[in-house]
Amino acid sequence: GQQVMQIPQYQHVQEGEDFTTYCNSSTTLSNIQWYKQRPGGHPVFLIQLVKSGEVKKQKRLTFQFGEAKKNSSLHITATQTTDVGTYFCAGSWNNNDMRFGAGTRLTVKP
Amino acid sequence: NAGVTQTPKFQVLKTGQSMTLQCAQDMNHNSMYWYRQDPGMGLRLIYYSASEGTTDKGEVPNGYNVSRLNKREFSLRLESAAPSQTSVYFCASSKARDTHYGYTFGSGTRLTVV
Repeated sequence: GQQVMQIPQYQHVQEGEDFTTYCNSSTTLSNIQWYKQRPGGHPVFLIQLVKSGEVKKQKRLTFQFGEAKKNSSLHITATQTTDVGTYFCAGSWNNNDMRFGAGTRLTVKP
Repeated sequence: NAGVTQTPKFQVLKTGQSMTLQCAQDMNHNSMYWYRQDPGMGLRLIYYSASEGTTDKGEVPNGYNVSRLNKREFSLRLESAAPSQTSVYFCASSKARDTHYGYTFGSGTRLTVV
């Protein structure tokens, strides 16, 4: 079946450094969603991207959808300890079926 | 608070035992889902219910059954638990099956099968 590949699997940064996670599909996506899961918690919906080349911002978080709608990224500027957690992308190809990436686990050293 | 409620939060089963995980949402959502989360594998869909009265298999349905009891409640049953079913189980809901709606997840059930 179709999958979204997410990299890196882990990322450890010093507080204040930037962080980026990438999500890739071999075929064109209809839309992509991003979720955050704090350690021991549950996934929380962050945002959805639908349009080719779309860029959305939430404070220090910037989400991008590629022009070909085959990749997406989440960039965090100047990480804080509150950013710790696992970030998941979830891709959809037909508006009815969504598959989650394996996630990127972010740790932040104060 | 509005959201998705799952019970129990923790459970230990012996191989071969059965149990039902309960899920209820109070957001008047039409669609509900059961996922399992294993280390390094993200979230995998077990079963979903696009609307009241319907259920369908997801990516990993073997060994599980579901019941959409009403619009609010969606339960997951393990008939004969196996160690391979040790996992964290999340219930989620969304306004509709259309993936343009974000999912709201419950707090999860940590299941260990020994």
